[in-house]
Amino acid sequence: ELHLVESGGGLVQPGGSLRLSCAASGFALSGFEMHWVRQAPGKGLEWICYSSYSGSTVYYADSVKGRFTFSRDNAKNSLYLQMNSLRADDMALYYCTREDKGGNTNGGFDIWGQGTMVTVSS
Amino acid sequence: QAGLTQPPSVSKGLRQTATLTCTGTRNNVGDHGPIWLQQYQGHPPKLLSYRNNNRSSGISERFSASRSGNTASLTITGLQPEDEADYYCSAWDSSLSVWVFGGGTKLTVL
Repeated sequence: ELHLVESGGGLVQPGGSLRLSCAASGFALSGFEMHWVRQAPGKGLEWICYSSYSGSTVYYADSVKGRFTFSRDNAKNSLYLQMNSLRADDMALYYCTREDKGGNTNGGFDIWGQGTMVTVSS
Repeated sequence: QAGLTQPPSVSKGLRQTATLTCTGTRNNVGDHGPIWLQQYQGHPPKLLSYRNNNRSSGISERFSASRSGNTASLTITGLQPEDEADYYCSAWDSSLSVWVFGGGTKLTVL
């Protein structure tokens, strides 16, 4: 079965740092482009970053650019999100998700983890 | 980075048809089309349809996606109580190199 499991969330003070991880099982991460999406409590979904298959190309939403770094280790089948200079509006449930471009689908976020919660508070 | 536009809420009766809309620009929805996701409270999103409007594996034929210009639609026929959920569209913006989401539509089945 295909799974993504996020970890590393927790309580952090404003201005602090946190590193999230996302472990994939049941498939090889190297075959997929990957994303992080977050959801603040009671709010909608917000895309925050993308990684190409090898991690050589990464895109970020303006809201996190310069503060967050998305990396991956395909040998370990894992993704990482280094979050620095955290603010109150970064508080959210963080999901990693796989982009499936198989066939003629043109892409879709087909596998999601359960998410890991990041709380930013003093 | 402006998001896609979705109506905040839609209410329809049991066994009726609901059409949810998603409006963007020629650089996102009008380019390759959005994906559609369903989310129940307290659960991660689930993919309903791909950018080419094909349904994801295991999704009922009652769900169909389409696009005309810069507006995409998700049509749900024969509404059931279990269809009550939040629905999101999301598209790749080719001019900004980002994915953008709609604010989501809360579907209520009366």
